[in-house]
Amino acid sequence: AQSVTQLGSHVSVSEGALVLLRCNYSSSVPPYLFWYVQYPNQGLQLLLKYTSAATLVKGINGFEAEFKKSETSFHLTKPSAHMSDAAEYFCAVSPGPGSARQLTFGSGTQLTVLP
Amino acid sequence: ETGVTQTPRHLVMGMTNKKSLKCEQHLGHNAMYWYKQSAKKPLELMFVYSLEERVENNSVPSRFSPECPNSSHLFLHLHTLQPEDSALYLCASSQAPGQGGEKLFFGSGTQLSVL
Repeated sequence: AQSVTQLGSHVSVSEGALVLLRCNYSSSVPPYLFWYVQYPNQGLQLLLKYTSAATLVKGINGFEAEFKKSETSFHLTKPSAHMSDAAEYFCAVSPGPGSARQLTFGSGTQLTVLP
Repeated sequence: ETGVTQTPRHLVMGMTNKKSLKCEQHLGHNAMYWYKQSAKKPLELMFVYSLEERVENNSVPSRFSPECPNSSHLFLHLHTLQPEDSALYLCASSQAPGQGGEKLFFGSGTQLSVL
């Protein structure tokens, strides 16, 4: 069994400030972890993924996430927010390679960037 | 042209209507998916097709009927829907397991409103 909890359905930051979006997971096997982003009126787009290699994963648009097994966390960060980062972000977990049909998504975090 | 294309982008239908949603992928993938996205809820996996064979049906009501005529096309036929079926319907595709098959590529979705 697996699950994902995203803490905070809405996060607001000022432009240039640090972005931190929280994700905690539960999995009975070593997980694959993902962050997807959904811009308004669009589908989801993969930001980054952890697949049991390096624990610090770098993604597109300056985002990165760190896998912490002891904390069962996979928080998403970006040092400096940009207006174009405003979107909804989804954390997801799967039980391993080739298992897209077993992806479990979180409820999402809406990121607002204030000028 | 984007990798996964969905039509129409918006659909309004009455409860007695019959309509179909269309999805086409240009990525050479051999697995396709239908997801339902409702406000404030995690993405719900509805159907999975792998190599044109339905491999997953997550207790979806029979008023939703999928069709996958080939590996590039996926349809969702709708009939006698209920107002609670109003949502964003997302199509996705992926490679087969063992070929990066844990990564999903999404279309922009069809926003469905049932009156």
